[in-house]
Amino acid sequence: SQQGEEDPQALSIQEGENATMNCSYKTSINNLQWYRQNSGRGLVHLILIRSNEREKHSGRLRVTLDTSKKSSSLLITASRAADTASYFCATDALETSGSRLTFGEGTQLTVNP
Amino acid sequence: DTAVSQTPKYLVTQMGNDKSIKCEQNLGHDTMYWYKQDSKKFLKIMFSYNNKELIINETVPNRFSPKSPDKAHLNLHINSLELGDSAVYFCASSQAGLTIYFGEGSWLTVV
Repeated sequence: SQQGEEDPQALSIQEGENATMNCSYKTSINNLQWYRQNSGRGLVHLILIRSNEREKHSGRLRVTLDTSKKSSSLLITASRAADTASYFCATDALETSGSRLTFGEGTQLTVNP
Repeated sequence: DTAVSQTPKYLVTQMGNDKSIKCEQNLGHDTMYWYKQDSKKFLKIMFSYNNKELIINETVPNRFSPKSPDKAHLNLHINSLELGDSAVYFCASSQAGLTIYFGEGSWLTVV
């Protein structure tokens, strides 16, 4: 079954605005990761947050994790046209620890210049 | 110095044919994967190998057969291709189940 569900499915914003994407999951996890996929390309890892962490930053990215609500958010600040891509959350479930990541359905972000 | 490379990038073939996609990683990772991404961008794991041993085999038709000659290579062979096999197939690798490094994908179109 699908572990991660992302919201919204699509997001369109203007350059300079912030973009927030949400991810919900069902089972207990070791960690949650966010990936980015440019059109026609493979997925690229952005950031990993462990189950005992609540917030993590990397450049213009901020990720939060709420294990009680089984949800995570990815915030991209001061967005740029080059941020246009699909963003996926992926969970490493406790029961299958380290053996696989289960991906959400992705959010298509469009940043208009 | 590509980390995970897969070939071919594009493949158009007729129903009933047999085809292979090759994958190699130069990261020294122990674990390699095949993922399938459908037209709605849903990404689903197909297989996972750790040190040449199969550790994950999802509900995939047995027309799909992975082969790992060594831990740096994981090839995917598909027999008797069907229209529904059209998708993007991603090879990936990781170490200790953490960050996954993906190849650029192989676009398979079955006509």
